[in-house]
Amino acid sequence: GQSLEQPSEVTAVEGAIVQINCTYQTSGFYGLSWYQQHDGGAPTFLSYNALDGLEETGRFSSFLSRSDSYGYLLLQELQMKDSASYFCAVMGGAGKSTFGDGTTLTVKP
Amino acid sequence: NAGVTQTPKFQVLKTGQSMTLQCAQDMNHEYMSWYRQDPGMGLRLIHYSVGAGITDQGEVPNGYNVSRSTTEDFPLRLLSAAPSQTSVYFCASSYSGQHPEAFFGQGTRLTVV
Repeated sequence: GQSLEQPSEVTAVEGAIVQINCTYQTSGFYGLSWYQQHDGGAPTFLSYNALDGLEETGRFSSFLSRSDSYGYLLLQELQMKDSASYFCAVMGGAGKSTFGDGTTLTVKP
Repeated sequence: NAGVTQTPKFQVLKTGQSMTLQCAQDMNHEYMSWYRQDPGMGLRLIHYSVGAGITDQGEVPNGYNVSRSTTEDFPLRLLSAAPSQTSVYFCASSYSGQHPEAFFGQGTRLTVV
């Protein structure tokens, strides 16, 4: 089976940088995705890493180390609108994704 | 472009009732899936489909049925509702099973009393 661990809560101030870590144990691994979910809303896709290294998309970057079963999401120049829950998800066989329990990010002024 | 549309947005059921949650996508995506999200938790996969006529079970399939007669539609049926099925249900679609970006509907908030 699959299991993922990520911190339950992170707090940071506007303009700062925050890193959300994700470790996983899996029987099949194709890649690691990150999703953002605002309270009461639908999850939205942020990034995906299939290979080791850093992927950058604007203010957001995601990193993967397959040998360490570890990844992180890096959010730069934090804005108030970044307050949300962030989920890592392992993409396994047949396209099935297993999600972590999410990290609630609170951005303070 | 509507994306993924779920209906209804809210539903209250009595224990033992059955109902169907509707999901439709207009992006011609092959892959569709249903998740449930309980408070403070991540999404757990209920059922998924890799194309019309093909469905399979996810992590928590008990008490739910699905069918995929067309590419566009992927309804989720609750056979006999139980309070443990109180949750928020999300439908998602992606271009294929190998394509990582999933598009989610706005969710159906279901309460079973």
